[in-house]
Amino acid sequence: KAGVTQTPRYLIKTRGQQVTLSCSPISGHRSVSWYQQTPGQGLQFLFEYFSETQRNKGNFPGRFSGRQFSNSRSEMNVSTLELGDSALYLCASSSGNRGQTYEQYFGPGTRLTVT
Amino acid sequence: LAKTTQPISMDSYEGQEVNITCSHNNIATNDYITWYQQFPSQGPRFIIQGYKTKVTNEVASLFIPADRKSSTLSLPRVSLSDTAVYYCLALAAGNKLTFGGGTRVLVKP
Repeated sequence: KAGVTQTPRYLIKTRGQQVTLSCSPISGHRSVSWYQQTPGQGLQFLFEYFSETQRNKGNFPGRFSGRQFSNSRSEMNVSTLELGDSALYLCASSSGNRGQTYEQYFGPGTRLTVT
Repeated sequence: LAKTTQPISMDSYEGQEVNITCSHNNIATNDYITWYQQFPSQGPRFIIQGYKTKVTNEVASLFIPADRKSSTLSLPRVSLSDTAVYYCLALAAGNKLTFGGGTRVLVKP
């Protein structure tokens, strides 16, 4: 079974621009979660999508948004980029079945650098 | 808001047991506590999860006391390849997934 894929792997953007990151979950998984990882703040939860609906949301400003398509692929968008948005953005997929377990499978991440 | 706290780093030697404790107050009553391992330039990898008492799999054990305010990941007989950052994850009240800050484990020969 193929793992979680994220594209692009690396990205350099300028302040004020916007960016869209893509994630393809493991086949059959319906939940996709996004995380931001920085040296200072560690791993922070952005949001989770399940069956095209946002099911859970972290404490990030509205500049961070996402969506999920009918094939469970997900995109994350960040508008009006700031220097502090430089980070590794990780996507994780899971079956999403409620039972409050979080056995998630992570992709390799997209390294975003904002200059 | 819930806070998840772990030691920043731990050193160990090959063959020893490593125990990492995560404190997670105010977690949701029926939710699991999950631990992940992360190597440089890779996404985190699932290790183990549990709800209460003790869970063991082929790579680790997880101990959760009755009050569920903490959990301890136990790595038996570590090897050099276990050098990594270990994160605990809990679902906090308000449905917020909260990762601990991560514990950097260095296994020495």
